[in-house]
Amino acid sequence: DAMVIQNPRYQVTQFGKPVTLSCSQTLNHNVMYWYQQKSSQAPKLLFHYYDKDFNNEADTPDNFQSRRPNTSFCFLDIRSPGLGDAAMYLCATTQPDRAHNEQFFGPGTRLTVL
Amino acid sequence: RKEVEQDPGPFNVPEGATVAFNCTYSNSASQSFFWYRQDCRKEPKLLMSVYSSGNEDGRFTAQLNRASQYISLLIRDSKLSDSATYLCVVNKDSNYQLIWGAGTKLIIKP
Repeated sequence: DAMVIQNPRYQVTQFGKPVTLSCSQTLNHNVMYWYQQKSSQAPKLLFHYYDKDFNNEADTPDNFQSRRPNTSFCFLDIRSPGLGDAAMYLCATTQPDRAHNEQFFGPGTRLTVL
Repeated sequence: RKEVEQDPGPFNVPEGATVAFNCTYSNSASQSFFWYRQDCRKEPKLLMSVYSSGNEDGRFTAQLNRASQYISLLIRDSKLSDSATYLCVVNKDSNYQLIWGAGTKLIIKP
């Protein structure tokens, strides 16, 4: 089945220790997103790629970086995680030429910062 | 004012009852509207898109009111499995950039 896969599902890191989260998709969608979601809050868009074009949200901290080496893969790098970065990180994809652009989500990576 | 506002709830509803949520949005130029469902500690999943004429999918009915800038979700004959958080989603400038509400938590009680 076509899907969005995230690894790992759970990540524990130490304060200040870099961490990389990965996302892959078999949907062949042009757009990939990274969201941060904390408990009882809306998913917060960090950035998105339209093909290779990178779009950073204005309030995304510099601590967060992303790479998309090809259509299928996208990575989220957190250079120096702080306690406030503990959250669920959701990867999503969409194909923007459709009339209603449903976003398809991976299962998320739950990040714990010690 | 938030771009997308929802009552966070929780709505505690007995099984079999009808429940309705509203969501207001601030961007009058928005064209795409969705309801997503999110179970505890899981990813959001599309429940239904919301069309201008309103649409129904089984026990679920979605309505759009452009004049007042709100969308609604009605759930009839609620089931225990309907317990979840319902996220209202509206497009931003382009049709693939979405703004998410914080969700309305629904608890169906036996």
